[in-house]
Amino acid sequence: AQKVTQAQTEISVVEKEDVTLDCVYETRDTTYYLFWYKQPPSGELVFLIRRNSFDEQNEISGRYSWNFQKSTSSFNFTITASQVVDSAVYFCALSEGKTSYDKVIFGPGTSLSVIP
Amino acid sequence: ETGVTQSPTHLIKTRGQQVTLRCSSQSGHNTVSWYQQALGQGPQFIFQYYREEENGRGNFPPRFSGLQFPNYSSELNVNALELDDSALYLCASSSGTASLNTEAFFGQGTRLTVV
Repeated sequence: AQKVTQAQTEISVVEKEDVTLDCVYETRDTTYYLFWYKQPPSGELVFLIRRNSFDEQNEISGRYSWNFQKSTSSFNFTITASQVVDSAVYFCALSEGKTSYDKVIFGPGTSLSVIP
Repeated sequence: ETGVTQSPTHLIKTRGQQVTLRCSSQSGHNTVSWYQQALGQGPQFIFQYYREEENGRGNFPPRFSGLQFPNYSSELNVNALELDDSALYLCASSSGTASLNTEAFFGQGTRLTVV
């Protein structure tokens, strides 16, 4: 069965601190995709990154970086030098490659508050 | 902005009533997925439409139904509303199915309250 776990329900950091959001997933498939989405108070889900199961290369995009480790089934997300605008709920998600439709399984989310 | 628009943004209905939510997909996208997001939880997949046909369904009862039109816009219909149907309903559009290299763009959602 597919499952996404985000153990951190809420995190508060002071502006300019680094913060890492944890994500652990479960799947039996060898082909799958992992995602991170950001949901600000407005409600719209904002796509941040997609990573397929064959590409374990870590990625950095500006202040954001992602650490994908298949050995531990983790796909962690780090924000460097956090800003108030980073305050939002962040969702990790999983989609299996062999399904005939793009069903995405979301984790419960981590609410990040960046305090000025 | 993603180009995906949902209407209405907020809605209040009475238990037992029926509701229709609408989604206009991004230009060039032929796939629409619907998600239900209860307060404090992650979105849950309801179903997906590809070229006007239902292409997959999550664990939702038949009173949740949908349509996709030739212009790829979509409707989500919920009959016999229950209090637990109160949630944010999100629509996502993408191009193609099973081609998971496509990125899904989400609308801002419809907040449904059932009283």
